[in-house]
Amino acid sequence: EDQVTQSPEALRLQEGESSSLNCSYTVSGLRGLFWYRQDPGKGPEFLFTLYSAGEEKEKERLKATLTKKESFLHITAPKPEDSATYLCAVQAWTSGSARQLTFGSGTQLTVLP
Amino acid sequence: NAGVTQTPKFQVLKTGQSMTLQCAQDMNHNSMYWYRQDPGMGLRLIYYSASEGTTDKGEVPNGYNVSRLNKREFSLRLESAAPSQTSVYFCASREGQGIEKLFFGSGTQLSVL
Repeated sequence: EDQVTQSPEALRLQEGESSSLNCSYTVSGLRGLFWYRQDPGKGPEFLFTLYSAGEEKEKERLKATLTKKESFLHITAPKPEDSATYLCAVQAWTSGSARQLTFGSGTQLTVLP
Repeated sequence: NAGVTQTPKFQVLKTGQSMTLQCAQDMNHNSMYWYRQDPGMGLRLIYYSASEGTTDKGEVPNGYNVSRLNKREFSLRLESAAPSQTSVYFCASREGQGIEKLFFGSGTQLSVL
């Protein structure tokens, strides 16, 4: 069974204080790891897809990295508008076809001005 | 640019009542999904439709039925609502094969008393 664990559950940062969110996963064969951002009262919004260990993706103040066991979402010099819940999801291979996504429970990030 | 539209946004039901959640996408996507989101838990897949005319069970299908009315619309029905179905429901659609970028609606907050 695919498992995704995100930590911490909640994180409060001061504006400009860089940090990282963690996503640990257990899958039999990783097809892809996905990061989404979710604002209160809204649906998740796609950020990144990572496919293999060592891969990195960047978007503004966010950088996602991937190892064989976990992914990190690094937030550099965050601003209050970066406040949101960040969701991680994995997709695995099974019998030559892709399984559906398994989501973690998210990290709620608050950036204080 | 409507994307994925869900109705209603809020609903309160009594135990045993039935209702249908509506979802429509205007991006010409083949695949559509219904997820539920509960506090402290990741998004869990209820049902999905890989293409018009097909539907499949996800992780938590019990108590739900779906209809893929046409390529644009995918509805979720609760025949006899139970308090355990109190949740936020999200509809999503996907661009195509091998591309796991999901586009989500803004959700339906359902309370079953």
